Amino acid sequence: GAGVSQSPRYKVAKRGQDVALRCDPISGHVSLFWYQQALGQGPEFLTYFQNEAQLDKSGLPSDRFFAERPEGSVSTLKIQRTQQEDSAVYLCASSLGGLREQYFGPGTRLTVT
Amino acid sequence: DQQVKQNSPSLSVQEGRISILNCDYTNSMFDYFLWYKKYPAEGPTFLISISSIKDKNEDGRFTVFLNKSAKHLSLHIVPSQPGDSAVYFCAAKGTTSGTYKYIFGTGTRLKVLA
Repeated sequence: GAGVSQSPRYKVAKRGQDVALRCDPISGHVSLFWYQQALGQGPEFLTYFQNEAQLDKSGLPSDRFFAERPEGSVSTLKIQRTQQEDSAVYLCASSLGGLREQYFGPGTRLTVT
Repeated sequence: DQQVKQNSPSLSVQEGRISILNCDYTNSMFDYFLWYKKYPAEGPTFLISISSIKDKNEDGRFTVFLNKSAKHLSLHIVPSQPGDSAVYFCAAKGTTSGTYKYIFGTGTRLKVLA
């Protein structure tokens, strides 16, 4: 069966450009998480959706980061005016909810030059 | 302030022997813990979890031990196999804290030598 997919897999952006990263969760999964993973670090929580509702955005590092999941399935993480410190792998994970297992996508590696 | 710490960045173990990966946490609100395995260029894959009402959980070759008083958990893999070579992350959550956030450690790279 299809797992969590993310696109693009790699993105190079010039400093100041806007980027949009897409996540297709597993069909029927209520919960969706976005994480940022810097080199040599563990994933850091960015935001959480339950269906279309963004219930926790406490991990978004600045107001340049914005996430949406308008129909409760596909989600987009948008980063405006990218900075070099935004370079990282952005991971999306989905689950059936509660404490059910999170299934991670392969990530999008963003490099800001 | 790292609330979940994996103090060993790497570990090498002979095939067939036991691998023990350690994780410490500081937040006493954490009551649910997970281990993930990650291969290069892939997302983390869930391995095993444990709730704070237990002190041990087993799933095949994988056992997680939780010592709440020491705020310490460990993952035992026995016997270790070359395919277990990966980066292992522990993660923690406070289920009554009103947050949906999982906090991950920095990972331990396990190499199982054939």
